[in-house]
Amino acid sequence: QVQLVQSGAEVKKPGASVKVSCKASGYTFTSYDINWVRQATGQGLEWMGWMNPNSGNTGYAQKFQGRVTMTRNTSISTAYMELSSLRSEDTAVYYCARGHPDYWGQGTLVTVSS
Amino acid sequence: DIQMTQSPSSLSASVGDRVTITCQASQDISNYLNWYQQKPGKAPKLLIYDASNLETGVPSRFSGSGSGTDFTFTISSLQPEDIATYYCQQYDNLLQITFGQGTRLEIK
Repeated sequence: QVQLVQSGAEVKKPGASVKVSCKASGYTFTSYDINWVRQATGQGLEWMGWMNPNSGNTGYAQKFQGRVTMTRNTSISTAYMELSSLRSEDTAVYYCARGHPDYWGQGTLVTVSS
Repeated sequence: DIQMTQSPSSLSASVGDRVTITCQASQDISNYLNWYQQKPGKAPKLLIYDASNLETGVPSRFSGSGSGTDFTFTISSLQPEDIATYYCQQYDNLLQITFGQGTRLEIK
């Protein structure tokens, strides 16, 4: 069955960077885009961007341009999302999701606190 | 950017009620619209794709309709396990996926 398994919770200081991983299984990793979506506590869903695992092409929401980088390692079917210059407002659960999307990872809590 | 306006933001209904949520796109998105259910502490779950197609395994009391700019999500007979927040999401422009603001559904 399709699964997206994300890395564990992170605590970071303001100004630092965080890199979240998303390991795919149960399907051909290079056949579907990976999207990243975040959700602050009690808030709605916010799309951050997409990556094509086959080509490595990416597209980022304007809000995150210059701060987010999405990459992949096809040999281990894993996508990555790195967010830099973290601030307290970036505290949220970060999700990877396949395709339009249909399948989602379990989420990774990133806490930014001094 | 395509904006999605979802209403209402919250809704209280009784078990067995018919529940309707609407979503309006700021421009024509054809039928490129999904509906999700999210329960506290969980990832969103896809219920409806391409505006009106029921995802495999999803109960038939859930349905969706619409095309262009106006879309509707319906629960034909509300069940206690349907308590959740529901989101619409457009993917017409794959460079800018957009979610609605969400509808929090409660039991009266």
